[in-house]
Amino acid sequence: DAKTTQPPSMDCAEGRAANLPCNHSTISGNEYVYWYRQIHSQGPQYIIHGLKNNETNEMASLIITEDRKSSTLILPHATLRDTAVYYCIIPNFGNEKLTFGTGTRLTIIP
Amino acid sequence: ETGVTQSPTHLIKTRGQQVTLRCSSQSGHNTVSWYQQALGQGPQFIFQYYREEENGRGNFPPRFSGLQFPNYSSELNVNALELDDSALYLCASSLQETQYFGPGTRLLVL
Repeated sequence: DAKTTQPPSMDCAEGRAANLPCNHSTISGNEYVYWYRQIHSQGPQYIIHGLKNNETNEMASLIITEDRKSSTLILPHATLRDTAVYYCIIPNFGNEKLTFGTGTRLTIIP
Repeated sequence: ETGVTQSPTHLIKTRGQQVTLRCSSQSGHNTVSWYQQALGQGPQFIFQYYREEENGRGNFPPRFSGLQFPNYSSELNVNALELDDSALYLCASSLQETQYFGPGTRLLVL
């Protein structure tokens, strides 16, 4: 899998937009960028994925740079329930496995 | 809710024993993956099953084995349990690229 780099931790005020960066400079042209999050002791939750266009769903927006070497996950109006570890993952083609790094621990502050 | 269920939720075993964990996939999903998550770490890929055949394996010894049934439900078996096998065991089901995780089974080996 292509390697990803994320900051180990971030804080965000409740109600503000949380912007989580991810670097993936070795990504290949046909590899997707996936984001999952894991709230304490629960199974990882799928958030969003994209190839090269920006994507939006009911949970978040994903902005991928034109060269595809980095991306940003945006939670538009963070709530306390968004406190979690967020993982940026580039699955190998065919999605045989997901390789979880250390992720970013996002803390939403009241 | 992902529609992926796992049983049991918690389990305590002693060293040397054998354990079977179960996973029920989301309806229509023909692929199931298993992950091990030790305390404080990200999930690690154990193996994946596609239409009842193993379709990729991570760096786990042969005492970790699995099965997938015609209804696409799955089992993870671990023989000769060791203390380091204490972890959260996660299964994820998928039809195409995106994997959806269950809540996990927490195994404690004493």
